[in-house]
Amino acid sequence: EPEVTQTPSHQVTQMGQEVILRCVPISNHLYFYWYRQILGQKVEFLVSFYNNEISEKSEIFDDQFSVERPDGSNFTLKIRSTKLEDSAMYFCACPGLNSPLHFGNGTRLTVT
Amino acid sequence: AQRVTQPEKLLSVFKGAPVELKCNYSYSGSPELFWYVQYSRQRLQLLLRHISRESIKGFTADLNKGETSFHLKKPFAQEEDSAMYYCALNNNDMRFGAGTRLTVKP
Repeated sequence: EPEVTQTPSHQVTQMGQEVILRCVPISNHLYFYWYRQILGQKVEFLVSFYNNEISEKSEIFDDQFSVERPDGSNFTLKIRSTKLEDSAMYFCACPGLNSPLHFGNGTRLTVT
Repeated sequence: AQRVTQPEKLLSVFKGAPVELKCNYSYSGSPELFWYVQYSRQRLQLLLRHISRESIKGFTADLNKGETSFHLKKPFAQEEDSAMYYCALNNNDMRFGAGTRLTVKP
């Protein structure tokens, strides 16, 4: 299974600040996904990204969110102006050899 | 619209007891269904998928199109099965149910 590395593992930021969450799969993937999990709640789909374009996004993925593939290997999720309710675990995922989605370990975002 | 429902947020059983985690889905086409597991402080991992009809860690799940269900079962629960279990439906994008926290007591 492909390894998916997310950095940082934990980020603390002040409300209103911009954050960038990073994700690196070991092997090249055209498909990429971001999910969010607020503490104690379910895993929620944010956005899917295919061939450098957003394929689909949920109602959660509003204008304060953006995704990029800045250098051909990293995938980033940017939150422009964080709010308290953005505090959550953010998971990236890509298709695996033996599973439809292989998840990274996640980034815990804490907005204070 | 696709939807996955896991009616039980919490499920607690004793070690050795049978366990069934319920999942119902709503989907107009032929569903592609999965169970993912999340152990404490770990990433989501695929447990099993309906097309392979396999048993993983003693767990099985049968797709019942008549009842639109994909319940996860294990005849004898173990303490190490304690985790969050998510039923998921894949239609280009994987959508997850709310999850069931299974606790297996000694």
